[in-house]
Amino acid sequence: SQQGEEDPQALSIQEGENATMNCSYKTSINNLQWYRQNSGRGLVHLILIRSNEREKHSGRLRVTLDTSKKSSSLLITASRAADTASYFCATDAASGSARQLTFGSGTQLTVLP
Amino acid sequence: DAGVIQSPRHEVTEMGQEVTLRCKPISGHNSLFWYRQTMMRGLELLIYFNNNVPIDDSGMPEDRFSAKMPNASFSTLKIQPSEPRDSAVYFCASSLTASSGNTIYFGEGSWLTVV
Repeated sequence: SQQGEEDPQALSIQEGENATMNCSYKTSINNLQWYRQNSGRGLVHLILIRSNEREKHSGRLRVTLDTSKKSSSLLITASRAADTASYFCATDAASGSARQLTFGSGTQLTVLP
Repeated sequence: DAGVIQSPRHEVTEMGQEVTLRCKPISGHNSLFWYRQTMMRGLELLIYFNNNVPIDDSGMPEDRFSAKMPNASFSTLKIQPSEPRDSAVYFCASSLTASSGNTIYFGEGSWLTVV
């Protein structure tokens, strides 16, 4: 079963606009990570936010985490056509000695030039 | 660094045939993961190894699937016999350690089609 669920499933915006994707999860986590996947390629790590952090920035990316609501958002500012990809949140929860990194279903972002 | 290397990139095989997918993790990484991605089920963890030892194989769908890691630089995922429902993209990934928070680096995937 999937721990994280992204919303929306698909998002289409114009170049220069901001894109916001949301992720909800169900159980306690150590951290939450966002990954990007270009069509036909593997996933690439974008940013990690720990459970005791509320906001984190990296370049044009801004991630927020609300552990009380079990939700996170990824904001891409000033989007570019090259940002077109699928974006996945992944919840990182340790259970004993086993690491559990569970991916959501993804948001397909299309940035129109 | 060459990143995680997977082979083959694409494979088309007939139902009932054995399929072997190969992975070379990033040098120095102690954890290796096999994921499967389909439209219906998304990205699922099949198995992961830490220091060449399988830690969690609860995601392996059934006995037709097996994975090995004979040394720190090589792992295989085998499907025998293959079935059409096994058609998917299979990703290998590695991280420095199994500790929570370590970035996981993905290979480019093996695109499997079973006809």
